[in-house]
Amino acid sequence: QQPVQSPQAVILREGEDAVINCSSSKALYSVHWYRQKHGEAPVFLMILLKGGEQKGHDKISASFNEKKQQSSLYLTASQLSYSGTYFCGTEGAGGTSYGKLTFGQGTILTVHP
Amino acid sequence: SQTIHQWPATLVQPVGSPLSLECTVEGTSNPNLYWYRQAAGRGLQLLFYSVGIGQISSEVPQNLSASRPQDRQFILSSKKLLLSDSGFYLCAWAGGRSEQFFGPGTRLTVL
Repeated sequence: QQPVQSPQAVILREGEDAVINCSSSKALYSVHWYRQKHGEAPVFLMILLKGGEQKGHDKISASFNEKKQQSSLYLTASQLSYSGTYFCGTEGAGGTSYGKLTFGQGTILTVHP
Repeated sequence: SQTIHQWPATLVQPVGSPLSLECTVEGTSNPNLYWYRQAAGRGLQLLFYSVGIGQISSEVPQNLSASRPQDRQFILSSKKLLLSDSGFYLCAWAGGRSEQFFGPGTRLTVL
C-alpha cells in the first residue's frame, strides 16, 4: 500500500520552517526521503532505518516512529532552493519487500522570497 | 564515484511501435537496479527490480519488460507501445538495502 503524505502542498517565506509527514499502514524497515524539482530526477535526502540509524543531509532532519509506521521531515530556515516536490518512500519489514520502495503521492513545497 | 546514465533523454513514439530504454551504472558492482515510471504530476511507480544479472522482478502487470544482460546495464522494452505508456521513466541503483540514486530520466510521449 502507498504511504500517505501530508500536507499535499506547503507555501513558505524564506526562513520559515515546515514539517512533512509520511504514514504507512504496514510495518516498515526503512523510510527514504527525496526531493524532485520540476522536470528533473528525484534527489536523495535522508534514509531512516529501523533501529534508529539515519543518513542524509546536514541541514535536513527527520524522525521515524517505528511503532506508528510514521516519519516526518523537518525543513528549518527554508531557502529558495528547498522548493520542489518531496516524496517519502517506504520499505516494508517483510522479506518480499527487500530493497523495494513504495512512494507517497508527494508534497509540493514552494518557498517565496 | 558512482554515476548513472540513461538514454535517450526524450522520445516521441507512435502507438504500436517498439521501445528500448537503456540504463548503465558506473563506479559500483552488483548494484540493485530499478525502473520507475512517473505520470505527469504524480508519484513514482516501481515497474521492475533486479538484484543481479538475469534476475528481474516485475511489480506491475503491463506490456513492458526488462532485462539485465550485464551487471551494470538495465534495459526497459516494449514490443508495442500504448498511449498509457507515456510518462517519465527513471532508472535507479542502490548498493543493497540502502538509499537509491536516480538517473536523469527519459521522457516518453506516445502519440
